[in-house]
Order: sequence, then structure tokens, then C-alpha cells
Amino acid sequence: DQQVKQNSPSLSVQEGRISILNCDYTNSMFDYFLWYKKYPAEGPTFLISISSIKDKNEDGRFTVFLNKSAKHLSLHIVPSQPGDSAVYFCAASGSNNAGNMLTFGGGTRLMVKP
Amino acid sequence: EPEVTQTPSHQVTQMGQEVILRCVPISNHLYFYWYRQILGQKVEFLVSFYNNEISEKSEIFDDQFSVERPDGSNFTLKIRSTKLEDSAMYFCASSLWGNQPQHFGDGTRLSIL
Repeated sequence: DQQVKQNSPSLSVQEGRISILNCDYTNSMFDYFLWYKKYPAEGPTFLISISSIKDKNEDGRFTVFLNKSAKHLSLHIVPSQPGDSAVYFCAASGSNNAGNMLTFGGGTRLMVKP
Repeated sequence: EPEVTQTPSHQVTQMGQEVILRCVPISNHLYFYWYRQILGQKVEFLVSFYNNEISEKSEIFDDQFSVERPDGSNFTLKIRSTKLEDSAMYFCASSLWGNQPQHFGDGTRLSIL
């Protein structure tokens, strides 16, 4: 099932710089998108979401951009901090799903170097 | 901040045995979910539950699986006769409403021997 793809398995960024994590989807019925952060031995932690009626949502250092025509979303973290080092998952759901099922990407491991 | 709690953190079971994984969702949330992640693979949806019934389930969620909300706080996943391929991290999640962020517990690592 490749409906949600994160093509970069890992990303290394210097502290203070911008981190850009990318996600592509194929299912045009998806209309709600989320980013989660995951540390080892913990569950995914919700970071930020965006619905398809918007193209940008911002929360502190985190901004999510949605390009519906390209079926692409990205998460920008600025400035990046060493504590941001984790695996980041994008996830998507469609309002046509009665059960609000989330479809996850495979994750990108972000390493922020001091 | 309220959180989803899961017990046990690690469960080791013999193949063919029944196992029950337990979750306490966030108290005012109305939607409950189970996901699993097999080592090295994506997080996969199993089932969602609302108003005391299953609202959606995946192909993985076959007759060996069941969910229950036995009281006002717990949400359980039962696997009737475990198989080796059931070994995975099982995550419980809850959300306030349907199209709202789902908040996850720290998972139960299930190991089938």
C-alpha cells in the first residue's frame, strides 16, 4: 500500500537551520493530513494537521504546506533543535472513511546536529 | 496534558494463545482506534470504534480480532488465537471527534513465540 509515501528515509540538518520533510500521496479522496513525531519506545505524538481547504498551517516552529494539485505536503521546522531528532510520519485520511482511518507514510528519520 | 495509556508495555505469548491488550483513551474522547506496526514496516490501521460499535476495520482485522469497551474507561483488543505474524507493536489511539487529530499511546510490544 503506497498511498502515502515519504521518499527520504533520513535527513540530517544543522541546529538552527530549517528542516524540510516531504510527503506525497496518491489518493485524491484524502482531505485531512497530519504530521506525527516518534521517539524510540514511544507512540506517535501529534504535531500539526491541515485540511484540504487550506494550503498552509502554522504552529510555532512548525509549518505544514499542502499542494493539492501535486498531491504533496511538507513540514517545515525552523529553527531546528537537537530535541527535534526523531522519526516523522505523515498521515492522511478522507472524509469518505466512516471510521477516520489514518494511512501512514513510512517515516523520515531527522537528525539535528548541534 | 491528558494521554492515552496502554498496558502491558510488553506481552510475550505462546502461539495459539489468546491475548488481550488494554488501553485507556483520553477521557472525553469519543472515537477509539487500534493500529499496529510490524518491525521495519509502516503503521497500519486495524479498527475504529465509536458509539459502542466498530465503524471501520481493515483487512487485517479478521475473525481472530475483536474489540470491546467493557466499561466507561477501557478499550481492549483481543486476539483469539495468536500467530507468529501477529508479533508487532500495537498502538491504541483516541480522538475527540471523527476528523480530529488522533492521539496515540506508547504501544504494547506483542511477541509471539
